[in-house]
This record gives sequence, C-alpha cells and structure tokens, in this order.
Amino acid sequence: AQSVTQLGSHVSVSEGALVLLRCNYSSSVPPYLFWYVQYPNQGLQLLLKYTTGATLVKGINGFEAEFKKSETSFHLTKPSAHMSDAAEYFCAVSRNTGTASKLTFGTGTRLQVTL
Amino acid sequence: NAGVTQTPKFQVLKTGQSMTLQCAQDMNHEYMSWYRQDPGMGLRLIHYSVGAGITDQGEVPNGYNVSRSTTEDFPLRLLSAAPSQTSVYFCASIGTGQTEAFFGQGTRLTVV
Repeated sequence: AQSVTQLGSHVSVSEGALVLLRCNYSSSVPPYLFWYVQYPNQGLQLLLKYTTGATLVKGINGFEAEFKKSETSFHLTKPSAHMSDAAEYFCAVSRNTGTASKLTFGTGTRLQVTL
Repeated sequence: NAGVTQTPKFQVLKTGQSMTLQCAQDMNHEYMSWYRQDPGMGLRLIHYSVGAGITDQGEVPNGYNVSRSTTEDFPLRLLSAAPSQTSVYFCASIGTGQTEAFFGQGTRLTVV
C-alpha cells in the first residue's frame, strides 16, 4: 500500500522568499514520486518527477525536489517565490512497476504569495 | 494537439439521474484513469484501465462504471447520482513505458 502526507494545507510566503512544501510518502516498493501543480479551474500539470537515478530533480518554473529515502521525503523547494506561483500543489506516488496510471495523491498544499 | 479532452465541463444532476462523463485522448496512450477531487482530500482514484478491454477498480469505485472499448475513449458512468458524488472529476492518461500522467481540464459535477 502507498500513502502520501503533505504537511500544511496552506502555506503563505512573501514574494522573493524561499518556498518549501513538504511531502512524506509510504511505499512498500521503490516509488516513483511526483509533484503536480493546479492553477484555479484547471487540470493538473506535472512540475517534476523522480523515478531513478539522481535524487535531486529539477522541474519547470524553477522548482526542484530531493528524494531522501532515509527520511521517506520528497520536499518541493524554490529559492525565490513569484506571484505566479500561487496555486495548489499535490505530491503523488506510484509503484515503479510501469503502471504509473495508479497515482496516490496527498491532500494538497495551497501556496499563497504575498507582496 | 488536444491531449486529454473531457466533456462536459460543468453538469448539474438531480439525485437518481444517470449520466456519462466523457474522456478522450489522442496520444495513443494505453493507460487511462479517472480521479475525483474533493476539498481537503486530494485526488482519489475511481477506476483505471491498462488497455482496451481491460479495466479495474481504484480506491473509490462504488457508484461508478467504466468501459474501454477503444484506446482513445474511457467514459465514466454514474448509474444513479447521489449528492455524495458532487465533485470535480479528472481523467488522465499515460503512455506505455512513460511516467508522466496527462490530465484533462476536469468536469465539475453537482448533484442536487
């Protein structure tokens, strides 16, 4: 069984400040890990993913995440927040069996960026 | 370059009515899935398919039926709508050997 925990349903940062969104996972097999972003009234867009290899992965819009197996974490960071980053962010996990169609999502973190 | 297309975008149903949410993808993806999104609960998997003619249940399948007669289409049927099915529904597809899921724009369903 897999599960994802996102700490903090709402995070507020000032423009230019560091963004840190936390994600911890539970998986009985080596996981695939994802971060998706959802802008208002839109579908989900992939920010970045970890499958194998380098544990620090870079995504779109300046975001990156580091897979830490010992901590079962996959936190999302961005050095400097921009107003356009305001959205809801979802961490997700799937089994690395090739059937990545079965995603387990966290409950989401809404990011607010203030002036 | 349509990707994943969901129709309708909005729908209001009365309790007990039935309807079909449509999902079509033009990327020749084998894997397709339906999720529902509820406040504070993230997205939960309803049903998924690993190819034409093959479907299986996800986390919250009760009250929903699916079929996959073609690679392109994966409709979701509500047999007898209930207020608990008020939600935003997303369809997603993934290509064989790939890991990125492509999502549709969603269908916002209200059952009164």
